[in-house]
Amino acid sequence: NAGVTQTPKFQVLKTGQSMTLQCAQDMNHNSMYWYRQDPGMGLRLIYYSASEGTTDKGEVPNGYNVSRLNKREFSLRLESAAPSQTSVYFCASSVTGREGYTFGSGTRLTVV
Amino acid sequence: SQKIEQNSEALNIQEGKTATLTCNYTNYSPAYLQWYRQDPGRGPVFLLLIRENEKEKRKERLKVTFDTTLKQSLFHITASQPADSATYLCALASGTYKYIFGTGTRLKV
Repeated sequence: NAGVTQTPKFQVLKTGQSMTLQCAQDMNHNSMYWYRQDPGMGLRLIYYSASEGTTDKGEVPNGYNVSRLNKREFSLRLESAAPSQTSVYFCASSVTGREGYTFGSGTRLTVV
Repeated sequence: SQKIEQNSEALNIQEGKTATLTCNYTNYSPAYLQWYRQDPGRGPVFLLLIRENEKEKRKERLKVTFDTTLKQSLFHITASQPADSATYLCALASGTYKYIFGTGTRLKV
């Protein structure tokens, strides 16, 4: 089925470890996003990529880096994980950035 | 700072009735407003988008209104069914790419 695929679905990290969350979409969308969702905080934008070759910071970029590998793939990297980064991470895509977003099923990350 | 408010308390509705959810915002002039549905353990699913120059949008049993004077959007589900039980999120953007999401309202039918 067409959509946004995120891997892994679950991950437990120790403080200071690094990891990369992967996201791929097969809908030929230009824009891709990374959000985190915490209880009582709603979805907060970490980084986005308006089009292939560009990335920009969102509301909460500190502690994260991103790579728009090609039009399909947008990865999120945690260089040195901290307990405050325990969250559910969602990747999303849209055609140009104005329309409705298609979200992946999320990655539940726990940093201990 | 920009703020979006959705009722954090769950809304309980009898089957067959109309559910009305509210999204209020302050310090913001959005050009686009979206509504999403989110089920537990899943990503949000896009439902409707309304632009600032549109007062109302409908899709099947769903209706969204957008009042830029009151700084408010109302989301209606008519003839509510148990399958409509979920959390509903509103999201606003003044331009492209940077949608800000509310915390959502849980609906139980």
